[in-house]
Amino acid sequence: NTGVTQTPKFRILKIGQSMTLQCTQDMNHNYMYWYRQDPGMGLKLIYYSVGAGITDKGEVPNGYNVSRSTTEDFPLRLELAAPSQTSVYFCASSYFRDRGRTEAFFGQGTRLTVV
Amino acid sequence: SQKIEQNSEALNIQEGKTATLTCNYTNYSPAYLQWYRQDPGRGPVFLLLIRENEKEKRKERLKVTFDTTLKQSLFHITASQPADSATYLCALVGSSASKIIFGSGTRLSIRP
Repeated sequence: NTGVTQTPKFRILKIGQSMTLQCTQDMNHNYMYWYRQDPGMGLKLIYYSVGAGITDKGEVPNGYNVSRSTTEDFPLRLELAAPSQTSVYFCASSYFRDRGRTEAFFGQGTRLTVV
Repeated sequence: SQKIEQNSEALNIQEGKTATLTCNYTNYSPAYLQWYRQDPGRGPVFLLLIRENEKEKRKERLKVTFDTTLKQSLFHITASQPADSATYLCALVGSSASKIIFGSGTRLSIRP
């Protein structure tokens, strides 16, 4: 399948547990992003990457970590889960082209509940 | 800090009318502005992009304007249909195209 694939689709964590949200894309996009979306709200950028080995913080990075060892994969790590991290997480990728076509392609999301 | 505001959380429009959504931003000079559609339980889907040096862009029933002086974009859906009901998000992209920052979205409902 062509696109962005996220796993798992749903997860319930207990406070203090850790987990990794997986994201992979097969479009050879150089840019990848992690967003969180709280109910009725827009997307908040957690971390982004402009290529393998390069990551940077977004708007709400606290409590999360990322790595980008390959072009295809961009996992998001939650350490010491807290109820405030209950949200829907979206991974996205994009490719900057000469004419500025920078649209992002999104995965189907991971719904995370921390109890 | 950068701020993006979409002027209303929800908009209700009669079928056949033109829906107009607003996106305002501050403390930012985007090179590109994008609009996305999001259906419940799904990820956003790209609709249109407009560059800083463009005033207007059209695609079928969709039209986007971009005023860098007012720091505002308007998104129009003409001849609206119930199938257009969704949340619409605007997003800003800097000149390096590395970060895409989203607004909070406007939930559009088209009633028959």
